[in-house]
Amino acid sequence: AQKVTQAQTEISVVEKEDVTLDCVYETRDTTYYLFWYKQPPSGELVFLIRRNSFDEQNEISGRYSWNFQKSTSSFNFTITASQVVDSAVYFCALSEEGGGADGLTFGKGTHLIIQP
Amino acid sequence: DTEVTQTPKHLVMGMTNKKSLKCEQHMGHRAMYWYKQKAKKPPELMFVYSYEKLSINESVPSRFSPECPNSSLLNLHLHALQPEDSALYLCASNQGGTGNEQFFGPGTRLTVL
Repeated sequence: AQKVTQAQTEISVVEKEDVTLDCVYETRDTTYYLFWYKQPPSGELVFLIRRNSFDEQNEISGRYSWNFQKSTSSFNFTITASQVVDSAVYFCALSEEGGGADGLTFGKGTHLIIQP
Repeated sequence: DTEVTQTPKHLVMGMTNKKSLKCEQHMGHRAMYWYKQKAKKPPELMFVYSYEKLSINESVPSRFSPECPNSSLLNLHLHALQPEDSALYLCASNQGGTGNEQFFGPGTRLTVL
């Protein structure tokens, strides 16, 4: 069975600090997909990134970067020079290769608080 | 048009009421999803429609009844709900297949009295 663990329930940092959100996953499939979503207080889930299991390249997008390591089953997310607007709940999610559309298995989320 | 819309934004209903939640997308996506999210919890998958056919029903009680009238629309019919069904109901869509990112609507915040 698939599982996503986000051990950090809440992180609070001061603006401009760097912060890393951890995500560890479990799956029996060799083909799977990992995602990060942001959920601001308004409630809408905003897609940030997708990674498939064959692509271990790290990704950088502006202040955001992602470190995917199959050896440790981790897909961590770093925000550099954090800003107050980054305050939100961040979810890591997993879907497995199964044919057809399937749903996402989410971690419990990390509530990130950026203090001015 | 690159968004998923949901109506209403908020809904308050009694346990004997019948109501419907609506979701719409015009991105040509072939799969649509309903998730339920309780406060301070992650979204939980309820239903998946793929090419307008119900493909996944995650053991959801029959008081929730999904409907996909066409490839752009997804409804969730509600009847005889319980107070514990109060939650944020999120609709999502994607291209279908496996591994494609899902795009979420803003959700309907449901309160059952």
